[in-house]
This record gives sequence, C-alpha cells and structure tokens, in this order.
Amino acid sequence: QKEVEQNSGPLSVPEGAIASLNCTYSDRGSQSFFWYRQYSGKSPELIMFIYSNGDKEDGRFTAQLNKASQYVSLLIRDSQPSDSATYLCAVNPHRAGNNRKLIWGLGTSLAVNP
Amino acid sequence: DTEVTQTPKHLVMGMTNKKSLKCEQHMGHRAMYWYKQKAKKPPELMFVYSYEKLSINESVPSRFSPECPNSSLLNLHLHALQPEDSALYLCASSQIGIWDEQYFGPGTRLTVT
Repeated sequence: QKEVEQNSGPLSVPEGAIASLNCTYSDRGSQSFFWYRQYSGKSPELIMFIYSNGDKEDGRFTAQLNKASQYVSLLIRDSQPSDSATYLCAVNPHRAGNNRKLIWGLGTSLAVNP
Repeated sequence: DTEVTQTPKHLVMGMTNKKSLKCEQHMGHRAMYWYKQKAKKPPELMFVYSYEKLSINESVPSRFSPECPNSSLLNLHLHALQPEDSALYLCASSQIGIWDEQYFGPGTRLTVT
C-alpha cells in the first residue's frame, strides 16, 4: 500500500462543474495536509492546506479532511479551463527525527473542457 | 507573485562542469528545502536546512553540495553530474513549527549533457 494514494486520472469535467479530487493516506499520525496545483513545466503552487477534521473553504476551493477514514479531498467549484493541471496531495506525518518531510501522492491530472 | 526566487531558470552543463543553483526567500521563513522533480513524478526531497543548519540529507550523492549562507539564501553546488541528474530543481521555504506549509520557487530546469 502506497503511503499517499491518488487516482492518476485524467479526471475530465465540463466547464462550470464541480471537480472532486481524492487522496488517502496510511500514517494515522499525520497532522497536516496540503494540496498543490502544478501546471506542465511549472513548479507546484500551494492552493490549500488543512489541519483539522472538517471542511475548509477558500474561494472556489474546499478541502475536506476525515482523519478517522484517513481521507482528504479537494473540491473545485465552477471549474474553469485554467484549472486544468496536475493536483498533488502531500501529507506530513511529523515523524520523529524527520518532521519536515512531506509524503507525496503521484498526482491527479484534471482536464476542464470548455 | 512568488516570494521564493530561483536562478537561473535554465541551466545546461557538461558532466565535468561545476555550477551553482541559487534560491532566495523573502518570507521570513527559517526552513529551506531542495527538491528534485522528474517528469510526471512528485517532488523528491534532497536537503532541508533549519535555522541555517543542515537538518536532513536524504542520502543525496556528494556531487550535490548544499549551502545556506544566511536565513534567506540557499545554494546548491553541482559538480561532475550525470545525465540522469537532469530534472527540475525546486527550492521551497516554510516556517518552523507544527503548521509549516512549504512554498516553492519557480525552479531551475537543469540539463546535463
């Protein structure tokens, strides 16, 4: 079992729809969770972070965390073609002696069709 | 606009060359990171500096040598690289604490010929 798992996609949604991206993780001690967006050839851009169970909203983005189910998701409302990118889920399990290392999923490719 | 800058944007070097990558952050962060990223893979951690001291070295070959001259600057010195070292090299910074979101610079695209 991979430590952080994401569906590789591609996930294809029509413009204006809700895109739902999912991520599961294996380390129950994980405390911080991040979503990065990466356009082809560019660097990862942090778009959401969440530390507590529940929902966190920022504009069109909502991150949802369920620690009991070891599940974190990202919802993108009113999807735009400019949202087409790879979305990387990263988790910090805050392991002793190495509490700064993020564990990364392989990313989900999102395509928003006009 | 990113507050983590990296130079150069692109670098082509031969296997016998010595070059350096530079990173600067203007966010007041006290942790800085070097990552390597290959196509269609997530970033791979190389080094972490906390309070200007090397705190993590992920068993990186000695042909990569990091340096942190002060809390805002991070360098990666390159020597005798191999073609398989060609990749996007990313610098990131974060606060030090439990909640330590990492912010990336734009990266240096390195090609080793």
